[in-house]
Amino acid sequence: GESVGLHLPTLSVQEGDNSIINCAYSNSASDYFIWYKQESGKGPQFIIDIRSNMDKRQGQRVTVLLNKTVKHLSLQIAATQPGDSAVYFCAVGNNRKLIWGLGTSLAVNP
Amino acid sequence: ETGVTQTPRHLVMGMTNKKSLKCEQHLGHNAMYWYKQSAKKPLELMFVYSLEERVENNSVPSRFSPECPNSSHLFLHLHTLQPEDSALYLCASSQVDIRDTQYFGPGTRLTVL
Repeated sequence: GESVGLHLPTLSVQEGDNSIINCAYSNSASDYFIWYKQESGKGPQFIIDIRSNMDKRQGQRVTVLLNKTVKHLSLQIAATQPGDSAVYFCAVGNNRKLIWGLGTSLAVNP
Repeated sequence: ETGVTQTPRHLVMGMTNKKSLKCEQHLGHNAMYWYKQSAKKPLELMFVYSLEERVENNSVPSRFSPECPNSSHLFLHLHTLQPEDSALYLCASSQVDIRDTQYFGPGTRLTVL
């Protein structure tokens, strides 16, 4: 069946450094890709998305990169701040199906 | 906040109890969702409602019974649950369907004894 996986369950970075969270997916027909952030005690919160006709999209301090050739997705956070500490999920969709990854827990050290 | 509220935030119930989870969205969305979030598992989509009609039921046991009386409210009725049903139950809404950005509530932490 379809799967979405993350390379690292946890990531620890120094405040001010850049963070990169990776995600791999199995279905080459996937056409939309979403990153969510979940802070403790809250539900997932949308960060950024990208469609399959793009390979890069930028938001405020975040960039999503999509490599359809190797079926890989990454989220880059610039100048990571303590408030970025959370679990980050990628979700990969095609048609009316959305498959979620397990999540990477990002810890920001002061 | 996100515009999606859930009550109660915490619930402890015995296996013979009947309880309901409530979700309300103030975003004017037409689609609502129930998810189950368990440790070390991907988010599991349970039910999808679009314009108050159930459009998806992902093989969820019948001890979970959803209800969507209008586009702003979603309930999850629980009866004779099992301890393995203990999890965080998340409600979400989106504009039209699952391809749209979903806005999540804070979840109900359910413990089944």
